[in-house]
Amino acid sequence: NAGVIQTPRHKVTGKGQEATLWCEPISGHSAVFWYRQTIVQGLEFLTYFRNQAPIDDSGMPKERFSAQMPNQSHSTLKIQSTQPQDSAVYLCASSLAGNTGQLYFGEGSKLTVL
Amino acid sequence: GQQVQQSPTSLVLQEGENAELQCNFSTSLNSMQWFYQRPGGSLVSVFYNPSGTKQSGRLTSTTVIKERRSSLHISSSQITDSGTYLCAMTSGSWQLIFGSGTQLTVMP
Repeated sequence: NAGVIQTPRHKVTGKGQEATLWCEPISGHSAVFWYRQTIVQGLEFLTYFRNQAPIDDSGMPKERFSAQMPNQSHSTLKIQSTQPQDSAVYLCASSLAGNTGQLYFGEGSKLTVL
Repeated sequence: GQQVQQSPTSLVLQEGENAELQCNFSTSLNSMQWFYQRPGGSLVSVFYNPSGTKQSGRLTSTTVIKERRSSLHISSSQITDSGTYLCAMTSGSWQLIFGSGTQLTVMP
């Protein structure tokens, strides 16, 4: 079991550029979550997929953030026109049983927007 | 206000001492979990503990749903226990809501 795999581990972009982050959940897990972690805000929920379907994206900044799960083996988080305040560690997690089951987190993708 | 209150914010111990970390929830909870995070590292689930008491080695978690609280007890702390401990809850929605964490430092 390789765990949740996230790529890239580190990404540096210039202000206004696009950033795409990838997540491969644990095989067999039906629920995938995206969170964002900063020192100031702590851990913030972004979005949740179950069986590839978007269930809750209430944490996503609507204008520039989007997430997809085209198949059961990967999910992407895309940030258009990145801003310095988007700098954070983006964490993907998966679980067998949705939000009430045990969550397994990836190592995270650290995004730095200059 | 904050739905998940963790205390203490930080804790410094001598190796061998015990630690007691607390989480209090302002709303009723369906489930809760304890996570551990090293500086720069990812979150590792320590306990998935809807209610009652669970033990794993030197770690014991006790959750009392009716009282909306959970505790994590670390006995005979070791230097390698240093890091941030976070509790998180769900309460009728999809979101796992995290506390702000307890930063534990164990000194030799």
